[in-house]
Amino acid sequence: GAGVSQSPSNKVTEKGKDVELRCDPISGHTALYWYRQSLGQGLEFLIYFQGNSAPDKSGLPSDRFSAERTGGSVSTLTIQRTQQEDSAVYLCASSWGRNQPQHFGDGTRLSIL
Amino acid sequence: GESVGLHLPTLSVQEGDNSIINCAYSNSASDYFIWYKQESGKGPQFIIDIRSNMDKRQGQRVTVLLNKTVKHLSLQIAATQPGDSAVYFCAESHQAGTALIFGKGTTLSVSS
Repeated sequence: GAGVSQSPSNKVTEKGKDVELRCDPISGHTALYWYRQSLGQGLEFLIYFQGNSAPDKSGLPSDRFSAERTGGSVSTLTIQRTQQEDSAVYLCASSWGRNQPQHFGDGTRLSIL
Repeated sequence: GESVGLHLPTLSVQEGDNSIINCAYSNSASDYFIWYKQESGKGPQFIIDIRSNMDKRQGQRVTVLLNKTVKHLSLQIAATQPGDSAVYFCAESHQAGTALIFGKGTTLSVSS
């Protein structure tokens, strides 16, 4: 498809486990973003990748969260030692660059038991 | 009918009416603004954007107005349809930042 693809769409795991979330951006988009959306809330920025520049990690809530982007395309968000407060929808977006429309995937709904 | 004023968490309109959704932003340095529509279980869908050198921009059935003096943004939807029912978010970014800062959403309900 032509849009942003995220997998899995749903993930249920036990507290303390590690999880990996995947994002396939729109082909050719140089910028990639991760956001988190808690139930009934707005989106909270996590991390931003732009080309080969160092990522902006200023939104990551703790050192349990990390992300990488391989080959300027696919990105994975990793949450280590998950906690119940990590339960949320994790959304990925991509764009041609800063101040260009970001296009979102449908997210991964993460539930920590 | 229309609804104007401060941010409302919910807005209910009749099919065919015009809708106005309002948003206030906090950072006077913000130079890019964008509206998204989010349906249940889906990611935000881009509607329209505007840069700070403009005060109005029109799309198909939608108009965004930007008032930098009072730091206010609005989305107007003409001839609202049941398919417009969703949560609408405004977002901003500024020169020094890289991410969008999202406002509180407004749930639009359209009855036929």
